[in-house]
Amino acid sequence: AQKITQTQPGMFVQEKEAVTLDCTYDTSDPSYGLFWYKQPSSGEMIFLIYQGSYDQQNATEGRYSLNFQKARKSANLVISASQLGDSAMYFCAIYLIQGAQKLVFGQGTRLTINP
Amino acid sequence: GAVVSQHPSWVICKSGTSVKIECRSLDFQATTMFWYRQFPKQSLMLMATSNEGSKATYEQGVEKDKFLINHASLTLSTLTVTSAHPEDSSFYICSARRHTGAGGDYGYTFGSGTRLTVV
Repeated sequence: AQKITQTQPGMFVQEKEAVTLDCTYDTSDPSYGLFWYKQPSSGEMIFLIYQGSYDQQNATEGRYSLNFQKARKSANLVISASQLGDSAMYFCAIYLIQGAQKLVFGQGTRLTINP
Repeated sequence: GAVVSQHPSWVICKSGTSVKIECRSLDFQATTMFWYRQFPKQSLMLMATSNEGSKATYEQGVEKDKFLINHASLTLSTLTVTSAHPEDSSFYICSARRHTGAGGDYGYTFGSGTRLTVV
């Protein structure tokens, strides 16, 4: 089984600042993948970034980077130069590569960018 | 890119009636489809996993007879909420998994969701 924990219900950040959203996970399986999604008020799930458990380097996608600390079982999302449009719910998710490959989500963090 | 179409986007139904939600992969074959439920300001809770041509696997606590899932083809899965009640009001969202994890979203494509309101 796998579990994801996001401990920040809400974050408030000033525009143009960097923000880190926390995510810790728990699994005994060595092969897994970690995702971050953005969910605006419209409800759609927008894929942001992916990190595989065997990836040596931290994933980066434009303004998004994933601070992957395997020993600590953490996969924090860093958003650089935040924009007003970044205001949304952010979810961390994990899947096990073997088996049903179902995505299990964390509780989410509501990010608000202030002008 | 991979696209998943989910219909309807929103539906209002009377208590006691059944509602069917469709999830269709438009440009790829989905080996597995997942159905999630999301209450306001909460996380996505996995309800069930369905594979084409076989029975769905339900998560613990999800009523199989209430939430009927059919995955008749590699491009279509349906969720039917039977005898709906106000407590079934929620946001339902599907996700389709491609056989290969390649692609910008690493194999998971989400529908746009269905907001169900039971009155």
